[in-house]
Amino acid sequence: EPEVTQTPSHQVTQMGQEVILRCVPISNHLYFYWYRQILGQKVEFLVSFYNNEISEKSEIFDDQFSVERPDGSNFTLKIRSTKLEDSAMYFCASSRAGFSGNYGYTFGSGTRLTVV
Amino acid sequence: GENVGLHLPTLSVQEGDNSIINCAYSNSASDYFIWYKQESGKGPQFIIDIRSNMDKRQGQRVTVLLNKTVKHLSLQIAATQPGDSAVYFCAEGGGATNKLIFGTGTLLAVQP
Repeated sequence: EPEVTQTPSHQVTQMGQEVILRCVPISNHLYFYWYRQILGQKVEFLVSFYNNEISEKSEIFDDQFSVERPDGSNFTLKIRSTKLEDSAMYFCASSRAGFSGNYGYTFGSGTRLTVV
Repeated sequence: GENVGLHLPTLSVQEGDNSIINCAYSNSASDYFIWYKQESGKGPQFIIDIRSNMDKRQGQRVTVLLNKTVKHLSLQIAATQPGDSAVYFCAEGGGATNKLIFGTGTLLAVQP
């Protein structure tokens, strides 16, 4: 069964450093997403990406965050200057289509980001 | 505002019993609902979904019920097994957005 793959599984970084979280969405999917989950809390939407541009972003997704699809397979989330409160699980997801159809919204296993 | 919430943060059941996990939503524009299972250290795993033009959908051992009148969603798990122990999230989507809005989660603990 197709999977969304995320690397690394765990990343430790010092406050103020830049991090890049990587994702390989399912190959025939067109919509890409990042969500995060602070320990013990619910999953929160960060950003959606379609046709090589951001289609929607949340209040959390401020100027410190950026996303990129550098090639035909990878989808990355960059945090420019990490803060302690950025520590969370970051989930990538992809879907075939929007909510108008059967779109197979699938999540990866996540990257645990720890900012120290 | 948008709010998806759960009534019971923890549900403890005996193996073999049926489980019911509930969820309330407030965005009347949502027309798609999903239940996810999340095991420790893993990403949300799709269980079952339902569209707003339906009020019931069944899968293998799971049933989702949707009551749009009171904006309520439930997940029923038949013959609960120890492997069902996890956190269960409801999520809503649709309208003019492709994002999912998650509820706060219910921990299901299955006692052998």
